[in-house]
Amino acid sequence: AQSVTQLDSQVPVFEEAPVELRCNYSSSVSVYLFWYVQYPNQGLQLLLKYLSGSTLVKGINGFEAEFNKSQTSFHLRKPSVHISDTAEYFCAVIKTTDSWGKLQFGAGTQVVVTP
Amino acid sequence: NAGVTQTPKFQVLKTGQSMTLQCAQDMNHEYMSWYRQDPGMGLRLIHYSVGAGITDQGEVPNGYNVSRSTTEDFPLRLLSAAPSQTSVYFCASSYSNREGQYFGPGTRLTVT
Repeated sequence: AQSVTQLDSQVPVFEEAPVELRCNYSSSVSVYLFWYVQYPNQGLQLLLKYLSGSTLVKGINGFEAEFNKSQTSFHLRKPSVHISDTAEYFCAVIKTTDSWGKLQFGAGTQVVVTP
Repeated sequence: NAGVTQTPKFQVLKTGQSMTLQCAQDMNHEYMSWYRQDPGMGLRLIHYSVGAGITDQGEVPNGYNVSRSTTEDFPLRLLSAAPSQTSVYFCASSYSNREGQYFGPGTRLTVT
């Protein structure tokens, strides 16, 4: 089964600064990739997804992610964060040929935005 | 649409007690699943279903049972609660593995 590694468990960032959250996965075959956000005491919400085509994917709330097949990475970025972006972010991956139950989540990255 | 709903929001059990966590969705999704979330471990799949009458085990199925008699409902049963089952439980649903999952608000379970 594929695995997902989120390289940072916590990322502190100042308001209006850029942020990058790193995600690497292990799979030699085609995959679908997702980023989710979890605000405090809430369920997960889909930010964006990569299925195929353009490697730069834009999502909600000004986030974007770039798929790099050679480096098996799917890093999430935002050029200017707000206090309201304080949340936990999860990367997830599934092989395109796998059944739905094989979706794998990373351990999460906690983003803390301070003024 | 209410999306994915879960009840209860909070629950405290004593070791050995049983209970059912309820999950319902009104989006006519075929795919539904249960996850548990523990600090530093992300989400781990307990059980999932690809349609009414069809369920399968995920990564951490021990101590949990599921059934799916309708498209809308996917309850999770704890047979004999243990402190190791203290966690936050999320139900999710989707159209397919190409689509993002819709998550419920979660149930926070404490087993003493």
